[in-house]
Amino acid sequence: DAGVTQSPTHLIKTRGQHVTLRCSPISGHKSVSWYQQVLGQGPQFIFQYYEKEERGRGNFPDRFSARQFPNYSSELNVNALLLGDSALYLCASSFLRLREADGYTFGSGTRLTVV
Amino acid sequence: QKEVEQDPGPLSVPEGAIVSLNCTYSNSAFQYFMWYRQYSRKGPELLMYTYSSGNKEDGRFTAQVDKSSKYISLFIRDSQPSDSATYLCAMARAGGTSYGKLTFGQGTILTVHP
Repeated sequence: DAGVTQSPTHLIKTRGQHVTLRCSPISGHKSVSWYQQVLGQGPQFIFQYYEKEERGRGNFPDRFSARQFPNYSSELNVNALLLGDSALYLCASSFLRLREADGYTFGSGTRLTVV
Repeated sequence: QKEVEQDPGPLSVPEGAIVSLNCTYSNSAFQYFMWYRQYSRKGPELLMYTYSSGNKEDGRFTAQVDKSSKYISLFIRDSQPSDSATYLCAMARAGGTSYGKLTFGQGTILTVHP
């Protein structure tokens, strides 16, 4: 079975530009979450989507948005990029919203560099 | 004050040593506790997942949760060079609007040298 797949793996953008990151969850998983990991820090929660609806949002500005499609894949969009948006963006999937027997499976991430 | 505190290390040990990794937390609403391992340029990989206080063992790994002290630990026995990675503790609440959100520690960088 394929794991969580994210694309692209790397990209470089200029300040002020817009970026779209994509995630395909494990087959059968209905929940997708997005995290931002700045170098040397733990991941920070951005969004959770379950059954195509936003179920949770972290402390990120409105420049960050996301959506989940009928096939449960997801996109993370970031507008008006800032240098501080440079980070590893991680997607995690699980069958259900976090429950006792679950854990989240993470993809390898998209490394975004803003110059 | 951060909700989850983790000593960033780095921690360097010889092969075969017992490694102890620790996190403290301030939010008593955390009910689920996880340890992830992250290799360089990779996503975090789930190692251990616990709900209740006490110990949980899986091979060379033992996770320990003390809710009364708000303290969790991961022990690695007979450490191997392949265990060299960043170890992240993560926690989650149960229910409510925060359901599903993981709160991570900063991560501890571990190096096991032959």
